Amino acid sequence: AQSVAQPEDQVNVAEGNPLTVKCTYSVSGNPYLFWYVQYPNRGLQFLLKYITGDNLVKGSYGFEAEFNKSQTSFHLKKPSALVSDSALYFCAVRDEGNYGQNFVFGPGTRLSVLP
Amino acid sequence: ETGVTQTPRHLVMGMTNKKSLKCEQHLGHNAMYWYKQSAKKPLELMFVYNFKEQTENNSVPSRFSPECPNSSHLFLHLHTLQPEDSALYLCASSQEGGRDYEQYFGPGTRLTVT
Repeated sequence: AQSVAQPEDQVNVAEGNPLTVKCTYSVSGNPYLFWYVQYPNRGLQFLLKYITGDNLVKGSYGFEAEFNKSQTSFHLKKPSALVSDSALYFCAVRDEGNYGQNFVFGPGTRLSVLP
Repeated sequence: ETGVTQTPRHLVMGMTNKKSLKCEQHLGHNAMYWYKQSAKKPLELMFVYNFKEQTENNSVPSRFSPECPNSSHLFLHLHTLQPEDSALYLCASSQEGGRDYEQYFGPGTRLTVT
C-alpha cells in the first residue's frame, strides 16, 4: 500500500530565509511524487511533480523539490521564503504501476513565513 | 484558475434536506474525483470516475451518491446528512493514460450541516 508522511505539522521560517517542507513516502513500485499548496478556502493547487529523470525538479513560484530514492524522500524547498508563501502544503504519491486513480496525500504541513 | 469549477461555493443544509454539488472540468480530462477535507484530518478520496465509469468507492455512506453523466461533469447528491459531514468537498480531474499525471482541483464547496 502507498503512504505519505509529512513529519512536521507546522514550519515557521523568517522571510528571506530558505525553507524546507519534508515528505517521505512508501510505494511498492516506482513513485510518482507531487506537491500541492492550499490557500485558505481554496482548492489544492499543483506546484510540481517528479515522474522520472533529474532528481531535482523545479515548479511554480520558485519552489523546487529533490527526489531521493535511497531515503524515500521528496522534500520541498525554496531558497528565499516570501510572506505570501504562507499556506498549507501537501505531498502526494501514486504508484507507477497503479494505473488510474490512487493518489495518496500526506496530512499537510502548515507553513508560516514571518515578516 | 485551474479549469475545474465547483458550485455552489458554500452550502448550508439541514439533516433532512436533499442537495447536489456540481463540478465541471474544462481541461478535456477523462477522470474525475470527489474528495472530502475535514479539519485536522487527511484528505479523503470518496469517489473516482475513470472514463465515466465509477472505479472506486472508498466505503462512503450511501447518503452520498455520485453521478457522472459525461467526462466533463460530476455531481455529488446529498441526502439526510449528519453534522459530521460538514467539510470542504473538493472535486478534481486528471488525464489518465497520458503523461500529465497530476490532478487539478476545483475551489471546493464548503458544506455545513445543521
